[in-house]
Amino acid sequence: EAGVTQSPTHLIKTRGQQATLRCSPISGHTSVYWYQQALGLGLQFLLWYDEGEERNRGNFPPRFSGRQFPNYSSELNVNALELEDSALYLCASSLYKMGQPQHFGDGTRLSIL
Amino acid sequence: QKEVEQNSGPLSVPEGAIASLNCTYSDRGSQSFFWYRQYSGKSPELIMFIYSNGDKEDGRFTAQLNKASQYVSLLIRDSQPSDSATYLCAVKTRGNTPLVFGKGTRLSVIA
Repeated sequence: EAGVTQSPTHLIKTRGQQATLRCSPISGHTSVYWYQQALGLGLQFLLWYDEGEERNRGNFPPRFSGRQFPNYSSELNVNALELEDSALYLCASSLYKMGQPQHFGDGTRLSIL
Repeated sequence: QKEVEQNSGPLSVPEGAIASLNCTYSDRGSQSFFWYRQYSGKSPELIMFIYSNGDKEDGRFTAQLNKASQYVSLLIRDSQPSDSATYLCAVKTRGNTPLVFGKGTRLSVIA
């Protein structure tokens, strides 16, 4: 069974540009979560999607947005990139049932020059 | 603010010893508890989850949950250098919220 897949693996942008990160969940999982992990820091929750709808959002500015497609894949968009957006962006998926474990993809490392 | 607290470490143990990692949480209504392992530069990997009070064993790993005291722990028996990583505790709190992650404990197993 394929795990959570993320693309691209690495992404290099400059300040002010826009970045799009993609995630495909484990087959059968309907929930997708996005996290930001800056170097040496903990996981910061960004967004949670299920059945195409945003279920919850972390404490991030509106330039962080995303969506979930009918096939449950998801993309994260970051507009007006800033230097401090440089981080590992992790996607996780789970069944929607409350309390189900999340399984993570390998992440996209976003570097802002 | 629903919080999950972990000692950041590093926790150093000799090879072959038992490593004990602890986590406390603030929401008394929390329902599900998870342990993840994260190697440097890699993504978190699920090790175990536990829903009920008591112990749950899986190979060298044992998760312990005490809801009355609001703590969950992870024991690693016969620790190996390959166990050296950051261990993240995650808790499913009440309401329509995702998992709340602690900041992790860095474990170093010395050969």
